[in-house]
Amino acid sequence: DAKTTQPPSMDCAEGRAANLPCNHSTISGNEYVYWYRQIHSQGPQYIIHGLKNNETNEMASLIITEDRKSSTLILPHATLRDTAVYYCIVSHKLSFGAGTTVTVRA
Amino acid sequence: NAGVTQTPKFQVLKTGQSMTLQCAQDMNHNSMYWYRQDPGMGLRLIYYSASEGTTDKGEVPNGYNVSRLNKREFSLRLESAAPSQTSVYFCASSAASGAKNIQYFGAGTRLSVL
Repeated sequence: DAKTTQPPSMDCAEGRAANLPCNHSTISGNEYVYWYRQIHSQGPQYIIHGLKNNETNEMASLIITEDRKSSTLILPHATLRDTAVYYCIVSHKLSFGAGTTVTVRA
Repeated sequence: NAGVTQTPKFQVLKTGQSMTLQCAQDMNHNSMYWYRQDPGMGLRLIYYSASEGTTDKGEVPNGYNVSRLNKREFSLRLESAAPSQTSVYFCASSAASGAKNIQYFGAGTRLSVL
């Protein structure tokens, strides 16, 4: 099962795009990339997932590199409510890492 | 839309006491999971159940037992609580355990062991 690496923290200006990177260099062919976020101490919330192609939904976009070794979650217009810890995972049999703490500033 | 319900929301135990954390989902999901989250850290998988009648260890199973009572319910038991088990416990469920599935989480149980 593949593991992921994310930067511990990042800041973003309100209204600007937030680009969150994730490295998953040992991902196997049938493993999906999932993104979740956790606001304060609430339970994590699903954002988006993908296998090979880029994906977009009402919350975010997911860009997966051609070799699938890394991906980027894009929050197109960050708001203060997007301040949270963002987790990238590739297998539900593994724990979530520490994630990236994203702080959106006014 | 209840989703995943965890009880209790808060609990304080003395060292050596036992208790069971309850989790129920109403989404007809096959798979269920128990995680713990210590302050400033990510979620660590304790146990999971890919389907009714099966359970498997996660990353940190020591000191815990689980029971998949039926398709809806997955309980986590601490037989002899220790201060190191002070944490927030999250239950989650997903439709499947294969490569493609999405987890839905409960609100958590905040446990303090004194």
